[in-house]
Amino acid sequence: GEDVEQSLFLSVREGDSSVINCTYTDSSSTYLYWYKQEPGAGLQLLTYIFSNMDMKQDQRLTVLLNKKDKHLSLRIADTQTGDSAIYFCAESTTNAGKSTFGDGTTLTVKP
Amino acid sequence: NAGVTQTPKFQVLKTGQSMTLQCAQDMNHEYMSWYRQDPGMGLRLIHYSVGAGITDQGEVPNGYNVSRSTTEDFPLRLLSAAPSQTSVYFCASGRGRAPGANVLTFGAGSRLTVL
Repeated sequence: GEDVEQSLFLSVREGDSSVINCTYTDSSSTYLYWYKQEPGAGLQLLTYIFSNMDMKQDQRLTVLLNKKDKHLSLRIADTQTGDSAIYFCAESTTNAGKSTFGDGTTLTVKP
Repeated sequence: NAGVTQTPKFQVLKTGQSMTLQCAQDMNHEYMSWYRQDPGMGLRLIHYSVGAGITDQGEVPNGYNVSRSTTEDFPLRLLSAAPSQTSVYFCASGRGRAPGANVLTFGAGSRLTVL
């Protein structure tokens, strides 16, 4: 079945860039997503990318997709303490629409 | 506010009790799903639905039932609660299969403890 993997923890200093990586196995994945979960809350979509794109930029967020290696990354520029959260990578196909999530990367931003 | 509403937010059950977690959305989304979140295990899909009257199993369906009699509601039933079902449960909805991405809107979560 589908599998999505992420490293569990990342710690950066305020003002640095953060890069969160994700790999997936389903070659029919059509959309790839990044969600953010703050403590005690549900997940919120940050951004998503269609599988025929290599890159998507949205303000401080840059998503890079290497479809050949099935590798997705999320770069957060000028990381702030408010960016501390769990970040989930997810994928879906158009056939079923259901999303498979990674285990989440806990980002800690130190002042 | 438009979105996904889950109730209750917190619940404590004894082993063997049954209960229903409620989920309602007002965005006319075709797709609805239930996930459980456990430490170190990410989000695991329990059941999902691609439209009223249609449900399917996810990764961890055992011990849970769902139904989808309306577009808006997707309740999750625990038939006989077990301590292994202690978790945080999230309901999520989305536009569904086509066209475009199935971006999910999540509820705030229901924290369930089974003693």
